[in-house]
Amino acid sequence: EIVLTQSPATLSLSPGERATLSCRTSQSVSSHLAWYQQKPGQAPRLIIYDASNRATGIPARFSGSGSGADFTLTISSLEPEDFAVYYCQQRTTWPLTFGGGTKVEIK
Amino acid sequence: EVQLLESGGGLVQPGVSLRLSCAASGFTFSSYAMSWVRQAPGKGLEWVSSISLTGGRTYYGNSVQGRFTISRDNSRNTVDLQMDSLRVEDTALYYCAKGRRIGWSDDAFDSWGPGTMVTVSS
Repeated sequence: EIVLTQSPATLSLSPGERATLSCRTSQSVSSHLAWYQQKPGQAPRLIIYDASNRATGIPARFSGSGSGADFTLTISSLEPEDFAVYYCQQRTTWPLTFGGGTKVEIK
Repeated sequence: EVQLLESGGGLVQPGVSLRLSCAASGFTFSSYAMSWVRQAPGKGLEWVSSISLTGGRTYYGNSVQGRFTISRDNSRNTVDLQMDSLRVEDTALYYCAKGRRIGWSDDAFDSWGPGTMVTVSS
């Protein structure tokens, strides 16, 4: 199975700062990578699909990049509602797999 | 508006069976693959199983292969997860999730239900 490694585990930033989250895969997944946001007590929400496409209703401050085995989720200027846990997920090969998550917390 | 609502969770002993159900509305159910994803308390997300549009193809995670069975009823807009031989490590919040694109079994999940909790304990 493809293993997804997210870093850092925790990112401590202030509102208005730029957040850069990494997801590395154990083998190439082409561009078949998605990012999800999860807030406490809520279901995950799709943010980015196919590496760089924003899902419906997602603000432009969220952007995704990368291909192959190295991906990045960038939040250009953090809003208070962006502090959450973010997961990456690959859909290239069964079983589908998720990364362990990056928590973006308020500094 | 897409709505997914899971049911059937509860507290059970190891070795028993449990059946989860997800009721879907707000979209053409028969056009989308459906999946189950779980999250153990305080842990990350784990994909469990997916089913194609007609139910002809099913996929399972390594940890549940041979114990769980996914099925769907396109006439009732429901997707079920039959869980047999439950283990303590199956304890999790189980989410029902909808595939993003029409017809694709392997895709991102663009809608999620609130989840149903399964606790396996003696």
